[in-house]
Amino acid sequence: EADIYQTPRYLVIGTGKKITLECSQTMGHDKMYWYQQDPGMELHLIHYSYGVNSTEKGDLSSESTVSRIRTEHFPLTLESARPSHTSQYLCASRSGTSYEQYFGPGTRLTVT
Amino acid sequence: DQQVKQNSPSLSVQEGRISILNCDYTNSMFDYFLWYKKYPAEGPTFLISISSIKDKNEDGRFTVFLNKSAKHLSLHIVPSQPGDSAVYFCAATEMTDKLIFGTGTRLQVFP
Repeated sequence: EADIYQTPRYLVIGTGKKITLECSQTMGHDKMYWYQQDPGMELHLIHYSYGVNSTEKGDLSSESTVSRIRTEHFPLTLESARPSHTSQYLCASRSGTSYEQYFGPGTRLTVT
Repeated sequence: DQQVKQNSPSLSVQEGRISILNCDYTNSMFDYFLWYKKYPAEGPTFLISISSIKDKNEDGRFTVFLNKSAKHLSLHIVPSQPGDSAVYFCAATEMTDKLIFGTGTRLQVFP
């Protein structure tokens, strides 16, 4: 059973606010990922990490930033939220021995 | 350019019958494929995968078929159950750290 958590589950926030989306996993996985998904669309990789102090940009350009100070924690930050950031954000992790990624429940972000 | 395509946005199947979800890909370097299931307001859940060295993988009611020459894979669910109603995503990788996802197919299983 995969244990990966995201908070908050839902967030409605005004333009210009700084937000941090939290993601934590208890499986000891080195590799972690952030995806963005809009309804009816594919999941787009926006950030990933190979381990502590490793962060890489994904295939979809994003104004967000990430950090990986601890293995279990991979937060995503938007310094100044805009309506174009409205989307669902999904965090995932995987071990080094399998290609299956385990996903958290997601954060539905709405910027007004 | 979308490398993984799920051309059917939705599928409706009667309970007890077979559900067949299709996925096409364009990148011949993909060598591992996965299917995920997603309920509303939840994250995707891994269902089943297949390596390019196989053409079939079975797990209970779920079977994935891979046709490399056609760059096509399909997920069969037999028998379909109402709890199978969800969005199904196909994903592929070149055995790297990245998965490339399709746009999903919404399956509805009705009584």
